[in-house]
Amino acid sequence: QLQLQESGPGLVKPSETLSLTCTVSGGSISSSNYYWGWIRQPPGKGLEWIGSIYYSGSTYYNPSLKSRVTISVDTSKHQFSLKLSSVTAADTAVYYCARQRAAAGSSPLNYFDPWGQGTLVTVSS
Amino acid sequence: EIVLTQSPDFQSVTPKEKVTITCRASQSIGSFLHWYQQKPDQSPKLLIKYASQSISGVPSRFSGSGSGTDFTLTINSLEAEDAATYYCHQSSSLSLTFGGGTKVEIK
Repeated sequence: QLQLQESGPGLVKPSETLSLTCTVSGGSISSSNYYWGWIRQPPGKGLEWIGSIYYSGSTYYNPSLKSRVTISVDTSKHQFSLKLSSVTAADTAVYYCARQRAAAGSSPLNYFDPWGQGTLVTVSS
Repeated sequence: EIVLTQSPDFQSVTPKEKVTITCRASQSIGSFLHWYQQKPDQSPKLLIKYASQSISGVPSRFSGSGSGTDFTLTINSLEAEDAATYYCHQSSSLSLTFGGGTKVEIK
């Protein structure tokens, strides 16, 4: 059964870079059938897609975050990572990683299943 | 960006009642609409994919319908364990978006 686990600092200072890693177990991160995504959820609020990556390194980002986001993949470690630069308090959220089924058609991105348990990142000095 | 508008924002329902949640897209998205359930302090769980396709392991009381711009998630005969927030999500465009969520409370 595929499992995803987020890891990284729970506290980041304003203006610094948030860095998180998602470790995939029970399945291959190199499968051609899937993308791997990051989604966040501010406390008490809804879900926001951050971006997604294919095992080859191809990425798609949320336009509203694109200038600050970098997602990378390390297939040898079965991990993909998120970096979000110049963070502010507005970036405080639970960050989830999830698997996305690849799709044919105009958009290769698809539904998220399964999700990791999430990790809370607080931006504060 | 495709905006998804869910209604209602909140619903308080008696067990065994039928629940209907709607999701309206700001432009046509075909059937690229998916539904998730998020229970308190848990990560979201996929309920329905492509507007109406069921997911293995999800109780049959959950169903979805719609296409284009108007979609519905129906919970037949609500159970206490269905207390959660429900989100729709579109994958029609390269900029993925979610609805604002509908919280379902059990009376």
